[in-house]
Amino acid sequence: GESVGLHLPTLSVQEGDNSIINCAYSNSASDYFIWYKQESGKGPQFIIDIRSNMDKRQGQRVTVLLNKTVKHLSLQIAATQPGDSAVYFCAENKRDTGRRALTFGSGTRLQVQP
Amino acid sequence: EPEVTQTPSHQVTQMGQEVILRCVPISNHLYFYWYRQILGQKVEFLVSFYNNEISEKSEIFDDQFSVERPDGSNFTLKIRSTKLEDSAMYFCASNGGIGTDTQYFGPGTRLTVL
Repeated sequence: GESVGLHLPTLSVQEGDNSIINCAYSNSASDYFIWYKQESGKGPQFIIDIRSNMDKRQGQRVTVLLNKTVKHLSLQIAATQPGDSAVYFCAENKRDTGRRALTFGSGTRLQVQP
Repeated sequence: EPEVTQTPSHQVTQMGQEVILRCVPISNHLYFYWYRQILGQKVEFLVSFYNNEISEKSEIFDDQFSVERPDGSNFTLKIRSTKLEDSAMYFCASNGGIGTDTQYFGPGTRLTVL
């Protein structure tokens, strides 16, 4: 399956616990960040995004935190459910140059134990 | 809810053959993209397309690749002479335009080159 070729870091949590998935990005000039969820055999599904003029943004059961000083992004999932099991990717770009291509991180596999 | 669709879901071809991967972006979107994901690896940007021309492309997108918007709804990726290393999932994405940065991805086409 999806683990061939690249060993993904894996986070294993119990159902109902909170999950924190981390991402270190490389381009200090990036000003837009997104979290995507990818289930097996499917395309990336948008979860939440944040612009560089913010350090926190909340959605339904998810929160994204941005620390520009250390170029770190995190995704917090509250009350994790079995349906949250997937690979999570952060992505970034630098919009003010007109560039729209997203640069994806290598992903973290979230496993939710019932 | 509108979504990006892609056909076929799986394409098997012989090395050296031409393939065309098809996408129908979300109907009112203006920017279109192709990304690929080699099995188990991160998602990589190939090309972006706006106003009937390529706006950005990566080093992967060489002369073997081309994109086209043949009508008002379809967006295609053509690989002229496939190589074994072209085997991957190919994702189409679209977004609405200026001020709407979120890229929505299709389910992907799995290309297998034999």
